Amino acid sequence: DAGVIQSPRHEVTEMGQEVTLRCKPISGHDYLFWYRQTMMRGLELLIYFNNNVPIDDSGMPEDRFSAKMPNASFSTLKIQPSEPRDSAVYFCASSFSKAQRTLHFGNGTRLTVT
Amino acid sequence: KQEVTQIPAALSVPEGENLVLNCSFTDSAIYNLQWFRQDPGKGLTSLLLIQSSQREQTSGRLNASLDKSSGRSTLYIAASQPGDSATYLCAVRGSSGTYKYIFGTGTRLKVLA
Repeated sequence: DAGVIQSPRHEVTEMGQEVTLRCKPISGHDYLFWYRQTMMRGLELLIYFNNNVPIDDSGMPEDRFSAKMPNASFSTLKIQPSEPRDSAVYFCASSFSKAQRTLHFGNGTRLTVT
Repeated sequence: KQEVTQIPAALSVPEGENLVLNCSFTDSAIYNLQWFRQDPGKGLTSLLLIQSSQREQTSGRLNASLDKSSGRSTLYIAASQPGDSATYLCAVRGSSGTYKYIFGTGTRLKVLA
């Protein structure tokens, strides 16, 4: 099993640019989560999906953030326009509701907005 | 609103020592609690998951306990090794049907050889 795969690993962009982060969950998992980690705020849940449907997006900080899951094997988190305060590590995680339900995390995307 | 606190924020111990990491949460209505390990530049790896009906879970040198009524969980690491050096985070999931995990800020552990 390849685990949760995120791309890119690092992203450096200028303020105002559009940023797209990608995630491939573990095959067969029916839940997908996007988290953001910063030194100041720790790990924050942004949004999660069940069977490709967004269930709770209350953690999405602003309308500049959007997430999609067009199929069971792919999700994107988009920031448009990006701002320096969006700099953080963004993690994707997946889980299977019928098993032990542990969260499986990807290695994250480190985003730097200058 | 659920809040999760981990104390201490950082811990440094000599190799071989047994140690306890603490996690406390404000709302005892939880579905389960997970302990994770995070290595620098990596994602989180789940170590142990305790359901709300359970008191403890064990995996190798790790033992996690849960006291839901007092809002506490501990992670016990026996005979610590330098390879245990990492940040340890706990996360709780509420019991109201949500799948949201609220994370603590973690304990950064360093085991000295």
